[in-house]
Amino acid sequence: GESVGLHLPTLSVQEGDNSIINCAYSNSASDYFIWYKQESGKGPQFIIDIRSNMDKRQGQRVTVLLNKTVKHLSLQIAATQPGDSAVYFCAEDFYGSARQLTFGSGTQLTVLP
Amino acid sequence: DGGITQSPKYLFRKEGQNVTLSCEQNLNHDAMYWYRQDPGQGLRLIYYSQIVNDFQKGDIAEGYSVSREKKESFPLTVTSAQKNPTAFYLCASSEGGTYNEQFFGPGTRLTVL
Repeated sequence: GESVGLHLPTLSVQEGDNSIINCAYSNSASDYFIWYKQESGKGPQFIIDIRSNMDKRQGQRVTVLLNKTVKHLSLQIAATQPGDSAVYFCAEDFYGSARQLTFGSGTQLTVLP
Repeated sequence: DGGITQSPKYLFRKEGQNVTLSCEQNLNHDAMYWYRQDPGQGLRLIYYSQIVNDFQKGDIAEGYSVSREKKESFPLTVTSAQKNPTAFYLCASSEGGTYNEQFFGPGTRLTVL
């Protein structure tokens, strides 16, 4: 999984398998979290968000899980496709305003044929 | 089409020159942000603005300057005081307030020769 300050971790999965990308966030007071996807040379794209009063939120093919006890966030991608290959970042609302996000260093997901 | 535009996509400058990166949004968002991204790393906040004619320093503001004279525009100037300006620069905007994700532009890759 990713954490601020570490080199970019990588995850390789077979096409069609499920992917799980992990993130350890730093501030126990953070109350809003976002997952972004960034393709090479492009800006990040919003995937899904979750507020601290939730443990789980589902989108189209994606699920975010939040464990506040251990300050851990995960992104699950179902039936991973080649187009899912990208760097995935988690971001936390570090200062309690949702107007200032702190980003993790990202995880490189590679989908194998 | 609503969105955020950044220009140019690639920018080359000689060491010691100031350079201004453009960011425009037509999403009617109150808040705008500038981030810097280095290879294999996450996003670091340079400056942000929550409203016209107001802006705040982020984590790495030294060597950068901004202005916010119009709601839709938030240009970033990379000055000669920035010691290592070569990077990928990302602009983002959000509605402001709480629990609103940031939308990103396509980025400008600045190379200082």
